[in-house]
Amino acid sequence: DAGVTQSPTHLIKTRGQQVTLRCSPISGHKSVSWYQQVLGQGPQFIFQYYEKEERGRGNFPDRFSARQFPNYSSELNVNALLLGDSALYLCASSSAGTSSSYEQYFGPGTRLTVT
Amino acid sequence: EDQVTQSPEALRLQEGESSSLNCSYTVSGLRGLFWYRQDPGKGPEFLFTLYSAGEEKEKERLKATLTKKESFLHITAPKPEDSATYLCAVMAATGRRALTFGSGTRLQVQP
Repeated sequence: DAGVTQSPTHLIKTRGQQVTLRCSPISGHKSVSWYQQVLGQGPQFIFQYYEKEERGRGNFPDRFSARQFPNYSSELNVNALLLGDSALYLCASSSAGTSSSYEQYFGPGTRLTVT
Repeated sequence: EDQVTQSPEALRLQEGESSSLNCSYTVSGLRGLFWYRQDPGKGPEFLFTLYSAGEEKEKERLKATLTKKESFLHITAPKPEDSATYLCAVMAATGRRALTFGSGTRLQVQP
């Protein structure tokens, strides 16, 4: 079975531009979470979606937004990019409604570089 | 606020030299504690979930244990392929199902 997939793999943007990152969860998983990981740090929570509804938001500015589609895939949008937005953006999927639904499985990430 | 502290930041072992990684946490009610392995430039790979104090999980050369304040990841007779960053994360029992991560322990196993 395919794991979590993310696109693109790498992205280079200029300050002030906008970017859209995409994620497809594991088949059968209905929840998607987004994390930002800067070099040398652990991932930091940005958003969580379940059944197209936002279920949680981390301490990120309003420049960050996301949505989930009927097929459970998700997009993360970042507007007005800053140099500090350069990071590895990770998508994680999890199942719901079972005792194992707390486990989150990560995709390979999208490496965003802002110049 | 939930907090996770991992130590040491980096660890260098000789092949076969067993050791332990520490994860100390504070959380307003623990739903679960998670261990991940991360290779450079890749996403974290799920290893274990621990739910209650006293619980232990094993996988090959790795064994994770949990107390009310900390978790340990024991590595027995490591091999060079065990070299990676090991991340610990907690999920609180209430509210959103978000993971709070530590900064990780970078493990290097030399042949």
